[in-house]
Amino acid sequence: DIQMTQSPSAMSASVGDRVTITCRASQGISNNLAWFQQKPGKVPQRLIYAASSFQSGVPSRFSGSGSGTEFTLTINNLQPEDFATYYCLQHNSFPFTFGQGTRLDI
Amino acid sequence: QLVEAGGGLVQPGGSLRLSCAASGGTFSSSWMNWVRQTPGKGPEWVAIIKPDGSEKSYVDSVKGRFTISRDNARNSLYLELSSLRAEDTAIYYCTTGWLGVWGQGTLVTVSS
Repeated sequence: DIQMTQSPSAMSASVGDRVTITCRASQGISNNLAWFQQKPGKVPQRLIYAASSFQSGVPSRFSGSGSGTEFTLTINNLQPEDFATYYCLQHNSFPFTFGQGTRLDI
Repeated sequence: QLVEAGGGLVQPGGSLRLSCAASGGTFSSSWMNWVRQTPGKGPEWVAIIKPDGSEKSYVDSVKGRFTISRDNARNSLYLELSSLRAEDTAIYYCTTGWLGVWGQGTLVTVSS
């Protein structure tokens, strides 16, 4: 199985900051990676697919990059509503696997 | 839109059948998944099924106990859960192929 190692596991930031979350795959997954945002008590929402493509309706301050084994999610100009937990997911091969999550506190 | 149903309280060793009704999309041409999440923990992918049902895959922890299936004529996805364990307690979500669309989930609680 492909292991997804996400870092950091938690972080604090201020409104207006730029934050970066990293996901590393235990083997190459091309660009078959998605990023999700989950707020407390809510269903996870996909932000980014194919490593760098925007989900419809996602603010442009979110961006994704990477290919192969290393990927990043960047949030520019952090807003209060961005307080959430973020997960990466590889869908290159079965079983699909999630990273362990990054809790972002504002 | 995806709407799950069928969750509930079941005893260890018991069985349950979850269903997911799809509307407003192209269900019959979409890979479909089940994903579960224990409150306070991250999501876990459980199973996937090809559009025509000819290919299925499962996470190791449910192999031999859970069965994913679909009925394209009814725009419905199913998950049969058997030999349930306490660690299967979770919210179960129906999702589209690469997890772009999620239902609201149905809670399965395994407890005596």
